Amino acid sequence: DIQMTQSPSTLSASVGDRVTITCRASQSIRSWLAWYQQKPGKAPKLLIYDASTLGSGVPSRFSGSGSGTEFTLTISSLQPDDFATYYCQQYNSYALFGQGTKVEIK
Amino acid sequence: EVHLLESGGGLVQAGGSLRVSCAASGFTFSSYAMNWVRQAPGKGLEWISVISGSGANTYYADSVKGRFTISRDNSKNTLYLQMNSLRAEDTAVYYCAKDLGVTTKIFDYWGQGTLVTVSS
Repeated sequence: DIQMTQSPSTLSASVGDRVTITCRASQSIRSWLAWYQQKPGKAPKLLIYDASTLGSGVPSRFSGSGSGTEFTLTISSLQPDDFATYYCQQYNSYALFGQGTKVEIK
Repeated sequence: EVHLLESGGGLVQAGGSLRVSCAASGFTFSSYAMNWVRQAPGKGLEWISVISGSGANTYYADSVKGRFTISRDNSKNTLYLQMNSLRAEDTAVYYCAKDLGVTTKIFDYWGQGTLVTVSS
């Protein structure tokens, strides 16, 4: 079975910081990876799919890269609305999420 | 505008059954696969099931296979999840999620979720 591992689990950052979250798959998932943002008490929101395609209405400060087993989500300049938990998800084989990365205020 | 509204959650005893529903609007429901994703309190996301647009094809995570059944009524634009033999570990918020396409398993719209609590 494919395993998805995100790092770090928690990230402390300030408004304006460049933030990078990593997601690693235990085997190649080609580019079949999505990223979601979730705020407390709310449903997740699709940010990126196919590793680097921006979802509808998602600000351009979000970007995704990678293929195979290593992927990154980058927020170029962290905004107050971006403090949330981020999940990667592979869909090469069914669907499996990473454990999440919480981005908190430094 | 796409809108998904879950209902039917609540408190049920271990071993019991519950059916949750998801009413969809704002898109051609029968053209898209639909999914259920759950989140245990304070935990991460777990995909549990997908159904094709026609309803002919269904898939389940191993954790619910044989106990849960996904179905849809395209005439009513409604998705269902029948949950039997419930366990304490099934306690979670259950989200319905629209698939980006046929069965991509990319979830582009989500409902607000419905909480299912299984008491032991």
